[in-house]
Amino acid sequence: DIQMTQSPSSLSASVGDRVTITCRASQSITWNLNWYQHKPGKAPRLLIYAAARLQSGVPSRFSGSGSGTDFTLTISSLQPEDFATYYCQQSYTSPWTFGQGTTVEIK
Amino acid sequence: QMQLQESGPGLVKPSQTLSLTCTVSGGSISSDDSYWSWIRQPPGKGLEWLGYIYYIGTTYSNPSLKSRVTFSVDTSQNQFSLTLSSVTAADTAIYYCVREVRRSYYFDYWGRGTLVTVSS
Repeated sequence: DIQMTQSPSSLSASVGDRVTITCRASQSITWNLNWYQHKPGKAPRLLIYAAARLQSGVPSRFSGSGSGTDFTLTISSLQPEDFATYYCQQSYTSPWTFGQGTTVEIK
Repeated sequence: QMQLQESGPGLVKPSQTLSLTCTVSGGSISSDDSYWSWIRQPPGKGLEWLGYIYYIGTTYSNPSLKSRVTFSVDTSQNQFSLTLSSVTAADTAIYYCVREVRRSYYFDYWGRGTLVTVSS
């Protein structure tokens, strides 16, 4: 299975900060990388698919980049509703696998 | 807006079978661009994709589950189901039903999840 490693595992940030989360794959997955946001008690939400494509309805402050093995999710200006856990997921080779998550907390 | 809702027992005894159903509303389970998946998250751990079923009955399961997992679909009820046999405490998790976009393999609609505890 392809291993997905996210960093950091958690971070503290303030409203208005620029936040970057990294996801690394154990082998090349070309651009087959997706990002999700998860808040406790709620359904996870797709943010980005195919590394850089913004899902419909997702604010433009979210962006994704990368290819091969290294990817980033960037929140350009953190908003109060963005405090959550973020997961990456590879869709290159089944079984699809996820990173361990990055929790964004209020500083 | 498509919605998915999991249902089933919240407590299962060890060695028994876990059974969950997902009801899809706001869209057809017979859509040819959808796979219907299950994902779980044990307490304090990451997300694990269990597999999917296509509306015609084609399935794929994560090899990590070996032969313990079965998927089924009921197009007349717009539902799909998961059964996991011979459960242990390691199967305790929040179970999510999810729509997987066929050919793109990302998950765009999720249920809120249901906690299943394996305990005697």
